[in-house]
Amino acid sequence: AQSVAQPEDQVNVAEGNPLTVKCTYSVSGNPYLFWYVQYPNRGLQFLLKYITGDNLVKGSYGFEAEFNKSQTSFHLKKPSALVSDSALYFCAVRPTGGGNKLTFGTGTQLKVEL
Amino acid sequence: GAVVSQHPSRVICKSGTSVKIECRSLDFQATTMFWYRQFPKKSLMLMATSNEGSKATYEQGVEKDKFLINHASLTLSTLTVTSAHPEDSSFYICSAPMGSSGGGDTQYFGPGTRLTVL
Repeated sequence: AQSVAQPEDQVNVAEGNPLTVKCTYSVSGNPYLFWYVQYPNRGLQFLLKYITGDNLVKGSYGFEAEFNKSQTSFHLKKPSALVSDSALYFCAVRPTGGGNKLTFGTGTQLKVEL
Repeated sequence: GAVVSQHPSRVICKSGTSVKIECRSLDFQATTMFWYRQFPKKSLMLMATSNEGSKATYEQGVEKDKFLINHASLTLSTLTVTSAHPEDSSFYICSAPMGSSGGGDTQYFGPGTRLTVL
């Protein structure tokens, strides 16, 4: 069975500084990996995904993530954080050939302060 | 991106009543939709997979007689919480995959429904 770990419950960053939200996964075979963001009392918004190809994936709102197969990681990054990036971030995985059912991490609360 | 809507966004009901939540894919068709439950500051728990034209597939531990799912068309799935109790109070979110890349399809999520059972 697949699993996702987001080791940090909360990440605090000063506005303008780079941010990283960590994600590691466990899956049989090759993974499809996703990042979603959730604002309070809202559904999840898709940020980016890795399917195949270039390990560095660029997504919405200036976010990017790097797929590292040897470390089984898919960390989310942004060069310069904004206060408006403050939200709950979820990493998710789905094995290739496993249909569309996603397995989510526990979420990381990002707080960007002035 | 694709749009998925949910209705209602918020509902308060009395214990023992049933509540229906609708999930619609507005600009694409979805033969499969997913229903999640989210507790405060917690991750999403997949409840069931809604399949157009066939029975829903429930995750282990989810009571199918309590959480009735009907995938009436390629753009509509409904979740009915029957005989609701306060412990059913939660944030319910649906999602629908869009694309043609098989398992690589992106899932688009509805805005969620906040259910409060008094």
